[in-house]
Amino acid sequence: DGGITQSPKYLFRKEGQNVTLSCEQNLNHDAMYWYRQDPGQGLRLIYYSQIVNDFQKGDIAEGYSVSREKKESFPLTVTSAQKNPTAFYLCASSPRQPWSEWPQHFGDGTRLSIL
Amino acid sequence: SQQGEEDPQALSIQEGENATMNCSYKTSINNLQWYRQNSGRGLVHLILIRSNEREKHSGRLRVTLDTSKKSSSLLITASRAADTASYFCATGPIQGAQKLVFGQGTRLTINP
Repeated sequence: DGGITQSPKYLFRKEGQNVTLSCEQNLNHDAMYWYRQDPGQGLRLIYYSQIVNDFQKGDIAEGYSVSREKKESFPLTVTSAQKNPTAFYLCASSPRQPWSEWPQHFGDGTRLSIL
Repeated sequence: SQQGEEDPQALSIQEGENATMNCSYKTSINNLQWYRQNSGRGLVHLILIRSNEREKHSGRLRVTLDTSKKSSSLLITASRAADTASYFCATGPIQGAQKLVFGQGTRLTINP
């Protein structure tokens, strides 16, 4: 079955540590997205990528970094500069342009907590 | 910045009743989408309605769009316990970056 796989499901970060969240898709979608969701809140866009080796900042990119070396992979690194990283992180993809006119497919998320 | 605002923030009804959720937005859009999120899971796309459409149906779901009022509603008929979830609207703006903007969601609880 085609879909988006996020790992790990739960992740704990120590102070001053960088952690990387994995997102892999086998849908052959061009665009991929990272969202942050805080309890009882909506989704806020962190980064997105519409083509390999290119990505753009979303609304809350500070303290995060991404790469898009392969079409199917879009890992997110939460750096030590992100002072409040505790949240639920969701990865999504959409097939082609125009990007905002296609449904997005989501993974099942990674819950990140501070130790 | 949040484009969509859902109302109510939380809704609790009895099984078998209809549930209505509303979404308001601020700028002109190409389309509006509704998603469902079960607790601890990712979002699942339910329905997309384009700016030139006024109503759309999918099973027990009915979505309306009023572009003059910049608002949409999602109606779930004959609710079931399995409909318990959070529901989000997302708008695809005409201008600016080509990305969806999600609202804060309505938490729907269906009581057996």
